Amino acid sequence: EAQVTQNPRYLITVTGKKLTVTCSQNMNHEYMSWYRQDPGLGLRQIYYSMNVEVTDKGDVPEGYKVSRKEKRNFPLILESPSPNQTSLYFCASSLWGIANSPLHFGNGTRLTVT
Amino acid sequence: DQQVKQNSPSLSVQEGRISILNCDYTNSMFDYFLWYKKYPAEGPTFLISISSIKDKNEDGRFTVFLNKSAKHLSLHIVPSQPGDSAVYFCAASGNKAAGNKLTFGGGTRVLVKP
Repeated sequence: EAQVTQNPRYLITVTGKKLTVTCSQNMNHEYMSWYRQDPGLGLRQIYYSMNVEVTDKGDVPEGYKVSRKEKRNFPLILESPSPNQTSLYFCASSLWGIANSPLHFGNGTRLTVT
Repeated sequence: DQQVKQNSPSLSVQEGRISILNCDYTNSMFDYFLWYKKYPAEGPTFLISISSIKDKNEDGRFTVFLNKSAKHLSLHIVPSQPGDSAVYFCAASGNKAAGNKLTFGGGTRVLVKP
């Protein structure tokens, strides 16, 4: 089944403790991206990657890192999480960028930072 | 400053009637627009899209209208069904010069009453 898989689905952590949220897609998509969803703000893009080893900042990259060493994987790294990063996170992929190529989303990771 | 706005956070409609969801944007560089639907505990799924060279796109019960001069688009669902109850996000992207980003609105929660 074609899908985007995120892990974990739920994560509770404390301020400053490094964490990684994994994302994997099995559709051989070139483009991958991370979003966070907050009430009233919709989904805001954190980082995106057009291809392996190519990443770029989205609208809210502060406090996050990403890497794209393989086409299928695009982990999101929070080196020193803070409470304002408590949010619902979505990974997404598309065949070749977002122009005329709809995104496929994972089921989300709910992160709570205390 | 939100470049894509959905001014109605919620909408309630009777089964069988029309649902009209509205979306306004401010960035004239946007040239491709999409609607996503999201159920609880799932990621958004692509619903329908429209390019700026068109003013209407139809797919079954779903029709998207684009008014470029007003920087406004709308999604019509006819007839509405209980399974359409979800959060709907409007999204917009620009050409390569604008970056490969997808900007989302804040979402409209639709409730279709049987």
